[in-house]
Amino acid sequence: AQKVTQAQTEISVVEKEDVTLDCVYETRDTTYYLFWYKQPPSGELVFLIRRNSFDEQNEISGRYSWNFQKSTSSFNFTITASQVVDSAVYFCALSGRAGADTGRRALTFGSGTRLQVQP
Amino acid sequence: NAGVMQNPRHLVRRRGQEARLRCSPMKGHSHVYWYRQLPEEGLKFMVYLQKENIIDESGMPKERFSAEFPKEGPSILRIQQVVRGDSAAYFCASSPGAVSTDTQYFGPGTRLTVL
Repeated sequence: AQKVTQAQTEISVVEKEDVTLDCVYETRDTTYYLFWYKQPPSGELVFLIRRNSFDEQNEISGRYSWNFQKSTSSFNFTITASQVVDSAVYFCALSGRAGADTGRRALTFGSGTRLQVQP
Repeated sequence: NAGVMQNPRHLVRRRGQEARLRCSPMKGHSHVYWYRQLPEEGLKFMVYLQKENIIDESGMPKERFSAEFPKEGPSILRIQQVVRGDSAAYFCASSPGAVSTDTQYFGPGTRLTVL
């Protein structure tokens, strides 16, 4: 069975601080995909990034960066110089390989980390 | 280029009534997924559909819940005889359905409140 753990329930930082959101996953699949989604107070889910299990290169997009370490089954998300608009709940998610077992397309979500950025 | 559309955004039902939630996928997407988010929790997978077919309904309760994605029109998630425990946000996602596992793009959700 797949599992995603986001141990940090809530994090509060002051604007301009850097913050890292942790994500640890479990899967038996050799090919899988990891995602981060943002859920702002308005409630919608915003896709941030997708990473496949063969690509361990870290990725940077503006103030966002992601650190994928297969050896520790972690896919952590760092926001540099946080801003009030970053306040949201952030979800890490995992999906398995496609193929005959098409049910694997379902995403398994972590319980989310609520980030509060104070001005 | 419209995203995933869901309606209604908010739905209030009394116990025992039926709830009907609609989802129109992004243009060009033929795969639809429904998830449920209980208060203060992450999203839980319910059902995965392609046009006219249910591919995986392993996350859907066996009773009172059903889903369809007809050849024409939106996908529908139907909850019969709602109970208070059905109060949640229901999210629909769509993907293009290429060979590899695709990114799922989510709609804004329908907040169901059962009185």
